[in-house]
Amino acid sequence: DAGVIQSPRHEVTEMGQEVTLRCKPISGHNSLFWYRQTMMRGLELLIYFNNNVPIDDSGMPEDRFSAKMPNASFSTLKIQPSEPRDSAVYFCASSRGGFAGKNIQYFGAGTRLSVL
Amino acid sequence: GQSLEQPSEVTAVEGAIVQINCTYQTSGFYGLSWYQQHDGGAPTFLSYNGLDGLEETGRFSSFLSRSDSYGYLLLQELQMKDSASYFCAVNHGNAGKSTFGDGTTLTVKP
Repeated sequence: DAGVIQSPRHEVTEMGQEVTLRCKPISGHNSLFWYRQTMMRGLELLIYFNNNVPIDDSGMPEDRFSAKMPNASFSTLKIQPSEPRDSAVYFCASSRGGFAGKNIQYFGAGTRLSVL
Repeated sequence: GQSLEQPSEVTAVEGAIVQINCTYQTSGFYGLSWYQQHDGGAPTFLSYNGLDGLEETGRFSSFLSRSDSYGYLLLQELQMKDSASYFCAVNHGNAGKSTFGDGTTLTVKP
């Protein structure tokens, strides 16, 4: 398997622009997670889906952030409008999910977002 | 709420043994995982403890004490390539959700 695939790898945009990050999870995985990583705040869980349904979006910082998972093989994280404080590395991860215990999360390579 | 504590930095020399501790306070605890992240890379899974005791995977071992809400990662025969950040993470069991600690930066010196 190719692993979790994220695009783009790098994104530079100007404040106020819309940003869309994309993720393709590992085939057969039921859970998908979006994280944000910064030096100040560490690795934060933004939202996660199970069987394409959002389960917990309490980590989404504000209404400017939205996430969708229209099918089992694709998810997007959108920021509109973007602000400089959104600059971070955004990771997508997937796992088999659906049961308690050892659920290994497999991370994509991340999208490094810079908002100028 | 959830909280995990681990040291922010650890330094050791090549060939040595290092232990990274993790204490947690959480609800819905199913197990403790450890992840490694090299600079500029993505976190990768290292080890998992669902029950009390020691799990060994090559040079790496991980330990859990549920009664003490405590675990550690033990790295033996340190190599330069082990320089990385190490995260403990509580597995909550809700569709595989995990809460990550702030990470420990390990520097291995020659």
